[in-house]
Amino acid sequence: GQQVMQIPQYQHVQEGEDFTTYCNSSTTLSNIQWYKQRPGGHPVFLIQLVKSGEVKKQKRLTFQFGEAKKNSSLHITATQTTDVGTYFCAGLPGDTGGFKTIFGAGTRLFVKA
Amino acid sequence: DSGVTQTPKHLITATGQRVTLRCSPRSGDLSVYWYQQSLDQGLQFLIQYYNGEERAKGNILERFSAQQFPDLHSELNLSSLELGDSALYFCASTGAADTQYFGPGTRLTVL
Repeated sequence: GQQVMQIPQYQHVQEGEDFTTYCNSSTTLSNIQWYKQRPGGHPVFLIQLVKSGEVKKQKRLTFQFGEAKKNSSLHITATQTTDVGTYFCAGLPGDTGGFKTIFGAGTRLFVKA
Repeated sequence: DSGVTQTPKHLITATGQRVTLRCSPRSGDLSVYWYQQSLDQGLQFLIQYYNGEERAKGNILERFSAQQFPDLHSELNLSSLELGDSALYFCASTGAADTQYFGPGTRLTVL
């Protein structure tokens, strides 16, 4: 079936280091969304990418959507302790069906001060 | 605040019991998704409703059922509870282009 794989599962960084999480789909996606879940909280929508090769920035966060619309990445520059949490990607398969957005398993980011 | 409400916030019950979790979507959203998140795990999709009708099913056990009412609120019913059902249960309603807005979740503990 359709899958969205996300790596790494965990990442420990020192504050100030960069961080990247990657998302790969087995099928072409119409769009990809990124969510952040703080410890003890609920997932919160960050951004959506739609176009092939699209790059969007939110302050220290850079989101990319691959040319083939099958992969995506989230890069955080100079991490801060407030970046701690789990980052999920979620892909909307290109072929419409009953089940829509598929979530990746998430990357849990730990930031050491 | 996402605009999605879930009750109760916490629920503690015993094995073999039945519970009902409630979700009210954001105003104007017709679609409701239910997810299960076990400790430090990802989001497991359970079921989706759209305007009162079931639209998609994920890894939902037969002991679990859900429905969406005419006022668009949704309920997730969990029966014959087992220890392994202890988890966070989230509902989400969708906005434009299937962007999902999550509620605060219900933490279920089965003892």
